[in-house]
Amino acid sequence: GEQVEQRPPHLSVREGDSAVITCTYTDPNSYYFFWYKQEPGASLQLLMKVFSSTEINEGQGFTVLLNKKDKRLSLNLTAAHPGDSAAYFCAVSVGNMGYKLTFGTGTSLLVDP
Amino acid sequence: DAGVTQTPRHEVAEKGQTIILKCEPVSGHNDLFWYRQTKIQGLELLSYFRSKSLMEDGGAFKDRFKAEMLNSSFSTLKIQPTEPKDSAVYLCASSPGQGAGNTLYFGEGSRLIVV
Repeated sequence: GEQVEQRPPHLSVREGDSAVITCTYTDPNSYYFFWYKQEPGASLQLLMKVFSSTEINEGQGFTVLLNKKDKRLSLNLTAAHPGDSAAYFCAVSVGNMGYKLTFGTGTSLLVDP
Repeated sequence: DAGVTQTPRHEVAEKGQTIILKCEPVSGHNDLFWYRQTKIQGLELLSYFRSKSLMEDGGAFKDRFKAEMLNSSFSTLKIQPTEPKDSAVYLCASSPGQGAGNTLYFGEGSRLIVV
């Protein structure tokens, strides 16, 4: 089955710096990719959902890059601020089993003011 | 609209007890999921329902974990008997179920500590 590896497990940056979190996956039939943010004691909130056909996806203050050749998904926070401090999870679903998400193990991001 | 509601938020149980966790999905959603979240294993799928029918019952969790969905607006996860290794956050999520790539909407979780 699908295996998803997420790095780094912990990341500490200063306010204004960029922060990059990367996931690699194994199944070449993976089709949908998700980034979730989880603040302490709160639920996972969807940051972005991307499809396999789009390599660069821009959100508010972040960019998601998808490299299907390398089976790599990354989340790049361009200018981190303390409100970005949270746990981040990538998730991948395979084409014909789109309901079933395989999650990365998460990255705990701390942004120092 | 109300999101996914989970109760209780926190539970402390003694080894061997029976625990029932509850979940109310987003109204109108067809798919419901139970996940277990730990720091070491991350998020692991326990059960998946589509239109109240059990579609997947995570193999490693079958013996002491039982999820049920008696109606479209309520699901339970029973752990019987509990063991200390069951200490984790149990997350319920729902999605519209309109096809592949559905967004999951998560509850805030039930934190279980088994002593």
